[in-house]
Amino acid sequence: QVQLVQSGSELKKPGASVTLACRTSGYDFTKYDISWVRQAPGKGLEWMGWISTSNGNINYAQIIEDRVTLTTDTSSTTAYMELRNLRPDDTAIYYCVRPYDYGDFHYDFWGQGTLVTVSS
Amino acid sequence: DIVMTQSPDSLAVSLGERATINCHSSQTILYRPKNRNYLAWYQQKAGQPPKLLIYWASTRASGVPDRFSGSGSGTDFTLTISSLQAEDVAVYFCQQYYSNPPITFGQGTRLEIK
Repeated sequence: QVQLVQSGSELKKPGASVTLACRTSGYDFTKYDISWVRQAPGKGLEWMGWISTSNGNINYAQIIEDRVTLTTDTSSTTAYMELRNLRPDDTAIYYCVRPYDYGDFHYDFWGQGTLVTVSS
Repeated sequence: DIVMTQSPDSLAVSLGERATINCHSSQTILYRPKNRNYLAWYQQKAGQPPKLLIYWASTRASGVPDRFSGSGSGTDFTLTISSLQAEDVAVYFCQQYYSNPPITFGQGTRLEIK
């Protein structure tokens, strides 16, 4: 079955960087894009960007595009998100997500989430 | 960016009664050549990731009970739970995927039992 398993919680200081992993299984990794969505504590959902796992095309949310990099490793069927120059308001649960069909952007499959806490 | 606004922010409904959540987009999310509204609904229970309920505004995702239904077109959409069950207590989000980037979500509606 389709699984997205994310790396563990992170505690970082302001100004640091963090790289989150999303290990996938149960399907052909190169056939479905991966997106990232975050959720601050008690808040709503914020889309961060998506990456094509077949050709590497990327789109970022403009609000964060200068601090985020999405990558994939086809050999390990893993997607990564690097977030730089962390700020306290980056404290959130970060989810990797996958649509049911290629090219869609409604998300059937969600990782369990990674909590990133940014605090001095 | 397309702004998604949900109403109400919170809602309390008696068991077995109908619950209705609204979602308004700041511009149309109907793609006329395909006659499709690029609108999804999610349910998020405490401590869990969101779960897809509805996509293309009215198509139920796999395994979603038929008491959940979506309607609307253009800029105004509704999620209806026809007969509220205890397990439906959650926060509900709408999402537009017509304009990408960025994909945007509503602020969420908290549904509780009265």
